[in-house]
Amino acid sequence: SAVISQKPSRDICQRGTSLTIQCQVDSQVTMMFWYRQQPGQSLTLIATANQGSEATYESGFVIDKFPISRPNLTFSTLTVSNMSPEDSSIYLCSANNGVGTEAFFGQGTRLTVV
Amino acid sequence: GEDVEQSLFLSVREGDSSVINCTYTDSSSTYLYWYKQEPGAGLQLLTYIFSNMDMKQDQRLTVLLNKKDKHLSLRIADTQTGDSAIYFCAESMNYGGSQGNLIFGKGTKLSVKP
Repeated sequence: SAVISQKPSRDICQRGTSLTIQCQVDSQVTMMFWYRQQPGQSLTLIATANQGSEATYESGFVIDKFPISRPNLTFSTLTVSNMSPEDSSIYLCSANNGVGTEAFFGQGTRLTVV
Repeated sequence: GEDVEQSLFLSVREGDSSVINCTYTDSSSTYLYWYKQEPGAGLQLLTYIFSNMDMKQDQRLTVLLNKKDKHLSLRIADTQTGDSAIYFCAESMNYGGSQGNLIFGKGTKLSVKP
């Protein structure tokens, strides 16, 4: 199994600013993903974080708004840029070792934009 | 498109069994998951079942999978007040360019009454 740590666990940010969320896995993993959970909603995939190349974004999410880095097989960051109150959500990092393997999640980052 | 459906609410009395149901659409899913989310917390993986299995039991939890009907259920025996939470059903995606990310249902809020 893999243990995923996210930082920060929560933050309150001013609109127009940016926040970078870090995700650290305790072992090397093939795949890392970023999800968003808006208040009272289910989880929606933002993007797949690709090691050494640009992330793959889902429809409705763009790199300028959600830049993602993945410098190695255990670490990724998600930045929420130019924040507005609509970005208030829980952001979750996930990892697995490819299609058909168990998925693990971090505890999430609860972001409130004021 | 891919879809995972769950009923939104379930209320049971302490000591009774809870059954949470889920239907999914992707017949090629290899893993199906149940996650628990307590208020203000991240996702906790409860259990998962591989698609070539019909049933999996883990202490108070029993997962039943009907592949023909694409129906998944989670049974919690002897439900306790600490089981009150939102339960998410999720399927892994195994087609096209999917990298093993998950599609989540909207979650079932389980309320346990003393």
